Amino acid sequence: AQSVTQLGSHVSVSEGALVLLRCNYSSSVPPYLFWYVQYPNQGLQLLLKYTTGATLVKGINGFEAEFKKSETSFHLTKPSAHMSDAAEYFCAVILYSGGYQKVTFGTGTKLQVIP
Amino acid sequence: GAVVSQHPSRVICKSGTSVKIECRSLDFQATTMFWYRQFPKQSLMLMATSNEGSKATYEQGVEKDKFLINHASLTLSTLTVTSAHPEDSSFYICSGEDSGTPSQETQYFGPGTRLLVL
Repeated sequence: AQSVTQLGSHVSVSEGALVLLRCNYSSSVPPYLFWYVQYPNQGLQLLLKYTTGATLVKGINGFEAEFKKSETSFHLTKPSAHMSDAAEYFCAVILYSGGYQKVTFGTGTKLQVIP
Repeated sequence: GAVVSQHPSRVICKSGTSVKIECRSLDFQATTMFWYRQFPKQSLMLMATSNEGSKATYEQGVEKDKFLINHASLTLSTLTVTSAHPEDSSFYICSGEDSGTPSQETQYFGPGTRLLVL
């Protein structure tokens, strides 16, 4: 079984400050890890993903995440927050089971950027 | 990137009526499509996995007769909420898995459909 835990349902940062959104996962096999962003009343947009290879992955809008197997973490960071980053962020784990993808989402973290 | 559309984007209906939501992959073929439901201030919950030309696989707790899924072609899946009730009001999101992507590790999500049942 797989699970995803996002610490902090709400995170507030000042504009220009570091953004850190935490994600820990549990998986019996090496997972594929994803971060998605959701703006109000919209669907999900893929920010970045880790499948294999380099553990530090860069995504869109200046975000990056590092896969740390020893810590079972995949935290999302951005050096300097912009107002446009205010949204809800979901961490997800994808495993293949029975020939199908199985996606498990975290409960989401709403990011507020304070001017 | 690959694009998935959903129609309608918003729908309001009376209790007891049925509502059909379409999910289309616009520039890729999706052998597999997924339907999610998102309650306010909560994460997405997988409802069912549909494969083109076969019956959908429903997650535990999801009523098959209430949420009818049809995946008749490689670019279209539909979700019909039958005899909708206010508790079915939610944000429904679909995603498609690109059949042509060798690793197939990415799902492309639609923009969602907001359903309000009065």
